[in-house]
Amino acid sequence: KNEVEQSPQNLTAQEGEFITINCSYSVGISALHWLQQHPGGGIVSLFMLSSGKKKHGRLIATINIQEKHSSLHITASHPRDSAVYICAVSGEYGNKLVFGAGTILRVKS
Amino acid sequence: DTAVSQTPKYLVTQMGNDKSIKCEQNLGHDTMYWYKQDSKKFLKIMFSYNNKELIINETVPNRFSPKSPDKAHLNLHINSLELGDSAVYFCASSLRGWLAGKHNEQFFGPGTRLTVL
Repeated sequence: KNEVEQSPQNLTAQEGEFITINCSYSVGISALHWLQQHPGGGIVSLFMLSSGKKKHGRLIATINIQEKHSSLHITASHPRDSAVYICAVSGEYGNKLVFGAGTILRVKS
Repeated sequence: DTAVSQTPKYLVTQMGNDKSIKCEQNLGHDTMYWYKQDSKKFLKIMFSYNNKELIINETVPNRFSPKSPDKAHLNLHINSLELGDSAVYFCASSLRGWLAGKHNEQFFGPGTRLTVL
């Protein structure tokens, strides 16, 4: 079993819908990262968080350290949000990122 | 100006050849990384360098050798290429690594798609 599990693997939504992607991890961490990979292949860091909640535009990321769980929410989704969303964790003793398998999001207009 | 750049973007080569992928960052970051993304889009770290010093070396075959001539560059040389080396290779950088006691956001290059025939 992977140390970082994401759900769902695939998600199709209608434009305007509220979207949630979940990430659970089984190891001690110092930070959790949410990344976005567009169809063209480039990877962009969306959030890095170690507690609480962060918001950037229509994106919100939350983390519950006790439950070892994080969620990425997208409000008022748009077709341009279609991408692969990847959860990754930084371990307690190093800078190594361990990645989840990604969630493929498709937003239809 | 591209923050993290990689060359080439595409690399097609025959089994047994030796090839290199170059990475440069102009962000002034101390730490650089190489990641491999397999055919199932799963990312895995290969190497990390902090100020030209190797700090992470995952279980990567000896055929893969990273070289960091200065902290702005981290190149990946691959000897005797095999079919299983076909993947997308991403370079990334962050301001400072764990050695500074703090984690930082990582900035990724555009990736190099390597195809071994």
